Amino acid sequence: LAKTTQPISMDSYEGQEVNITCSHNNIATNDYITWYQQFPSQGPRFIIQGYKTKVTNEVASLFIPADRKSSTLSLPRVSLSDTAVYYCLVGEGDKIIFGKGTRLHILP
Amino acid sequence: ETGVTQTPRHLVMGMTNKKSLKCEQHLGHNAMYWYKQSAKKPLELMFVYNFKEQTENNSVPSRFSPECPNSSHLFLHLHTLQPEDSALYLCASSQDYSGTQSSGNTIYFGEGSWLTVV
Repeated sequence: LAKTTQPISMDSYEGQEVNITCSHNNIATNDYITWYQQFPSQGPRFIIQGYKTKVTNEVASLFIPADRKSSTLSLPRVSLSDTAVYYCLVGEGDKIIFGKGTRLHILP
Repeated sequence: ETGVTQTPRHLVMGMTNKKSLKCEQHLGHNAMYWYKQSAKKPLELMFVYNFKEQTENNSVPSRFSPECPNSSHLFLHLHTLQPEDSALYLCASSQDYSGTQSSGNTIYFGEGSWLTVV
């Protein structure tokens, strides 16, 4: 079983900032937190990865509090093309496990 | 383009057929993976190869037979499949397989092969 908990689905509007929070209460000391994006009929695509505090790239920002028991993926000014499933991953012992992800639906 | 190429993109096969899915990565990675994604289900890890050696077999039925001739190529041989095996099969690679997300070991996925068993 995945060690992460995310909302099953979210709706937002074009131009809005979207924040998706993931809980990972049992994260191990050495684990990084990684987010992937998956469009229909395609493989997941790496978005961002972090260990603590804040990470930002051209696509998103990742906020990680000091206790690392949760993380928040922030997508600035979303567009219709950001409609996808977003997965939060942390280490799972010897296996990398995907949960059900968050189905983000962007409305015009 | 992720650097991981899968062929064929679509495959329809009968339950008595034998077919293979092919994956090739151009990233210089040492670990390769097969995942299965059924409709509205999470991705399921099937097999992991690290430096051409199988390190994970996630209780996959023997009608699925992986082969990794070198670090750049991975095959999934299919025989006597069932209709419930119809799914999107995803190949992926990473620098190596530590089993965790430690040290930023990012996984790169191919576009997937859609398999329909009739």
